[in-house]
Amino acid sequence: KNQVEQSPQSLIILEGKNCTLQCNYTVSPFSNLRWYKQDTGRGPVSLTIMTFSENTKSNGRYTATLDADTKQSSLHITASQLSDSASYICVVSRSNDYKLSFGAGTTVTVRA
Amino acid sequence: DTAVSQTPKYLVTQMGNDKSIKCEQNLGHDTMYWYKQDSKKFLKIMFSYNNKELIINETVPNRFSPKSPDKAHLNLHINSLELGDSAVYFCASSHTNTGFQGYTFGSGTRLTVV
Repeated sequence: KNQVEQSPQSLIILEGKNCTLQCNYTVSPFSNLRWYKQDTGRGPVSLTIMTFSENTKSNGRYTATLDADTKQSSLHITASQLSDSASYICVVSRSNDYKLSFGAGTTVTVRA
Repeated sequence: DTAVSQTPKYLVTQMGNDKSIKCEQNLGHDTMYWYKQDSKKFLKIMFSYNNKELIINETVPNRFSPKSPDKAHLNLHINSLELGDSAVYFCASSHTNTGFQGYTFGSGTRLTVV
């Protein structure tokens, strides 16, 4: 069983609408959690990195939340644009060896 | 001015061949990685080098051999290619091997073995 589970697997939203992606993890001991955006045919690009003490972090229209107690994170996309169409990957790092565990990603499709 | 550049972007080759994928970063990072992304989109670490020294070597066949001539380059050589090696391979780099700093990924190399 993967230590980082993301949901939904994919979603379609209309341009201008908001959406929220979920990430649950079991990685321990926890160091930090990252959200990456991967456009088709490109490498992942970092959106946010959150440590244990951070609950919310924003990067433009992207807002990530972290609940380290329940081991859950979410990525909220506000006022979606066509360019937001991509795969969003949740990545959790361990604090003992800093090994990264990757989720399978959520594929977001924004339609006009 | 690509920060992490991989070549080639696409590679189609026959089973049994030997091929190399090159990676270079101009960010001054001291740690570089190779990841494999399978058909289910999972990214899995293969190797990690810190200052030319191998620090992570996951369970990959010994047909895969990383080579780091200097800390700005980490090449991946694959011997006797098999059908199952078909995947997208990503090179990445980070500032330290603590993993806290953000990773910068290359655009990937799509390897197809026929």
